Amino acid sequence: EPEVTQTPSHQVTQMGQEVILRCVPISNHLYFYWYRQILGQKVEFLVSFYNNEISEKSEIFDDQFSVERPDGSNFTLKIRSTKLEDSAMYFCASTLQGTAAYEQYFGPGTRLTVT
Amino acid sequence: TQLLEQSPQFLSIQEGENLTVYCNSSSVFSSLQWYRQEPGEGPVLLVTVVTGGEVKKLKRLTFQFGDARKDSSLHITAAQPGDTGLYLCAGARGNRDDKIIFGKGTRLHILP
Repeated sequence: EPEVTQTPSHQVTQMGQEVILRCVPISNHLYFYWYRQILGQKVEFLVSFYNNEISEKSEIFDDQFSVERPDGSNFTLKIRSTKLEDSAMYFCASTLQGTAAYEQYFGPGTRLTVT
Repeated sequence: TQLLEQSPQFLSIQEGENLTVYCNSSSVFSSLQWYRQEPGEGPVLLVTVVTGGEVKKLKRLTFQFGDARKDSSLHITAAQPGDTGLYLCAGARGNRDDKIIFGKGTRLHILP
């Protein structure tokens, strides 16, 4: 069964460093998302992406964040200068346009630890 | 804000018992999803409901979307230890590419 994959599974970085989180969405999906989950809290929306541009972003997704689909398979989230409060699980999700459009499928997540 | 409130937050019951968990909001959602999340993993989609009053069954799990599309319930019949986990409800407002809003989840523990 097709699934969303994410790399790395765990990333440790120092405050102020740049990180890139990578995702490979399900191949025929057209809408892509990043969510994050701070330990013990609920999953929060960061950004949605369609047709090579951002559809919507939350207030969390400030100028330090960017997303890119550099080729036909990868979808990346970049944090330019990480802060301690960016430590969280980051989930990529994708969905298919059409009858299953409401169903977002999540990857296993990248645990980002900022020290 | 379109908060999704889940109740109870924690539930511990004996194997074989039935249970219901709830997901409520003051806002209307176009669809509600139920996910299950294991520690350190991503949410795994169980079901999506899109029509008010809709009922979907997944083996021993029954999901219902409220008539007004503001609430949903998950009923588990004859719970088993394998049902132990965190159950999340999440809703989308409308557009097919819309973000989904998550509740905090119900942590379910089935005692053997």
